[in-house]
Amino acid sequence: DQQVKQNSPSLSVQEGRISILNCDYTNSMFDYFLWYKKYPAEGPTFLISISSIKDKNEDGRFTVFLNKSAKHLSLHIVPSQPGDSAVYFCAASRNDYKLSFGAGTTVTVRA
Amino acid sequence: NAGVMQNPRHLVRRRGQEARLRCSPMKGHSHVYWYRQLPEEGLKFMVYLQKENIIDESGMPKERFSAEFPKEGPSILRIQQVVRGDSAAYFCASSLGGSGVGDGQYFGPGTRLTVT
Repeated sequence: DQQVKQNSPSLSVQEGRISILNCDYTNSMFDYFLWYKKYPAEGPTFLISISSIKDKNEDGRFTVFLNKSAKHLSLHIVPSQPGDSAVYFCAASRNDYKLSFGAGTTVTVRA
Repeated sequence: NAGVMQNPRHLVRRRGQEARLRCSPMKGHSHVYWYRQLPEEGLKFMVYLQKENIIDESGMPKERFSAEFPKEGPSILRIQQVVRGDSAAYFCASSLGGSGVGDGQYFGPGTRLTVT
């Protein structure tokens, strides 16, 4: 019962270009969404979040877009840098502690 | 400024043995969460604990799994009589308060359990 899905297991992008990561969810009760970044041998670290009352949130090079009617969110990274190479997890919650994660997208930024 | 600590980082157990996974939260944090990541899947919530209390164990398998967070010492996730399907990465997170939204959770590096 995967309630959060990241359908692209991997993404390769050239340095300086835009990375777009996608995420779909099925539970209409989710009202808070997050993106986490994970390097090998480390735990996930929080990157950016968005509440369901907004459709966009920006933090430096990272922007998250939320389309509630489509139950879809995306993360844009502009410009992509080599240090952005990592696994990115989309997560959702009902504005509480219980996070539901997608399976992750591995981003590789090519020089 | 130590983050969330988990040990061991890798644990190998034979079927039927017990596995004990430890988690020390960030300094000052009194709320601990355990998540499990099976191969090719996302992290799944297992249990939420405060000191000496289990707040929500709705994600824990009904048998063989237990968790505690004693007054002193780390939080322990215990798996009795392990089976091959228990092979996974187990992540612990901690937070300062229990108000709950996920960006307040700080994750440890995980324990990779392999059952042979």
